Amino acid sequence: NAGVTQTPKFQVLKTGQSMTLQCAQDMNHEYMSWYRQDPGMGLRLIHYSVGAGITDQGEVPNGYNVSRSTTEDFPLRLLSAAPSQTSVYFCASRTTGIRTPLHFGNGTRLTVT
Amino acid sequence: GDSVTQMEGPVTLSEEAFLTINCTYTATGYPSLFWYVQYPGEGLQLLLKATKADDKGSNKGFEATYRKETTSFHLEKGSVQVSDSAVYFCALAEGGSEKLVFGKGTKLTVNP
Repeated sequence: NAGVTQTPKFQVLKTGQSMTLQCAQDMNHEYMSWYRQDPGMGLRLIHYSVGAGITDQGEVPNGYNVSRSTTEDFPLRLLSAAPSQTSVYFCASRTTGIRTPLHFGNGTRLTVT
Repeated sequence: GDSVTQMEGPVTLSEEAFLTINCTYTATGYPSLFWYVQYPGEGLQLLLKATKADDKGSNKGFEATYRKETTSFHLEKGSVQVSDSAVYFCALAEGGSEKLVFGKGTKLTVNP
């Protein structure tokens, strides 16, 4: 059972480039989310989805787009990368219900130069 | 809005020492409380949780008690090991919201 799989593990972009961070889960979880982790800031929610076709903004959505066409996949798109988006990105999923635990992927370390 | 405040680190202890990491919260209702742990190079994983006042969550020798009167959920372990070195996050989830709110994390290093 793979759980939550994120690709790539590492990525370097130049300012203005675009890319998509992939996230897939095989646990049939309805809820999926993206966080960024920065030193001294903890984890901040970027976007989340409560099911296929439904997405919503989190705490820091600017500069990121998401879509949820299937239950399994929840890609995060950076349309025009900026140095401020240098961070470690985590995808997480859970079953229905806010009180159930989140399952995290191992993260993508992104550097924007 | 809801928030979580946890003690700033880093925390450095010797093996077999007693650990306390403080966590207090602000919430309008009756949240569920969690501790997550992040080992180097990995994502977060659930360590323990408590869903109502006076509940005690426990796992791997770690414990935390949901104290509504002090709005706290402090993490404790009686005897830490080198393998407990990690970053620990306190978090809360309130019914009616889909968002899990995290503290900023506390880095623990345990020396042999």
